Amino acid sequence: DTGVSQDPRHKITKRGQNVTFRCDPISEHNRLYWYRQTLGQGPEFLTYFQNEAQLEKSRLLSDRFSAERPKGSFSTLEIQRTEQGDSAMYLCASSLPLGYPNTEAFFGQGTRLTVV
Amino acid sequence: AQSVTQLDSHVSVSEGTPVLLRCNYSSSYSPSLFWYVQHPNKGLQLLLKYTSAATLVKGINGFEAEFKKSETSFHLTKPSAHMSDAAEYFCVVSDENYGQNFVFGPGTRLSVLP
Repeated sequence: DTGVSQDPRHKITKRGQNVTFRCDPISEHNRLYWYRQTLGQGPEFLTYFQNEAQLEKSRLLSDRFSAERPKGSFSTLEIQRTEQGDSAMYLCASSLPLGYPNTEAFFGQGTRLTVV
Repeated sequence: AQSVTQLDSHVSVSEGTPVLLRCNYSSSYSPSLFWYVQHPNKGLQLLLKYTSAATLVKGINGFEAEFKKSETSFHLTKPSAHMSDAAEYFCVVSDENYGQNFVFGPGTRLSVLP
């Protein structure tokens, strides 16, 4: 397995358009996380899944944001009616549940979104 | 709730001198703690992790960190800085009693001067 992969790596979109990002986690990881990172800041938690169930959502995740993980494998993050403030790096991570001996979050390279 | 404080937004050291990056956490239970490094235009890479085994944790590239519960600290150290250590460093806490997401600190940018 080559790790967590995200697609696309870069996305430029016009304000008001919808965008969708994809994340493929490490295959044996049943937990999948989405984070947002703006310049000079640490990653901020958005949401996470255990298998196909979305277990937690941050209040940062406005109703314009939706995430899915339909079959418990890959996940998509959609932003509707994009705003300039949505410009950021969107990071995906996967892990085993805490309590496993080697639990850590493995991160993808991220999708950099620029809203113009 | 969980939170992480990184006391220095920027640390500058000379090559060959020791590195100390400070981290304090807030968590009511027994957390897991991590340090991640992010080089410019690169992904986040795990340096080391504490998961309630030994309190002194050794990581990659000569880094280590000591978990001190009484001080709620998990400071990152390295005896001798290398130019390639210049990067952004994030302290992270996770606790299954709080839903098990990974909470990041704001980061410390490490500069290494020749």
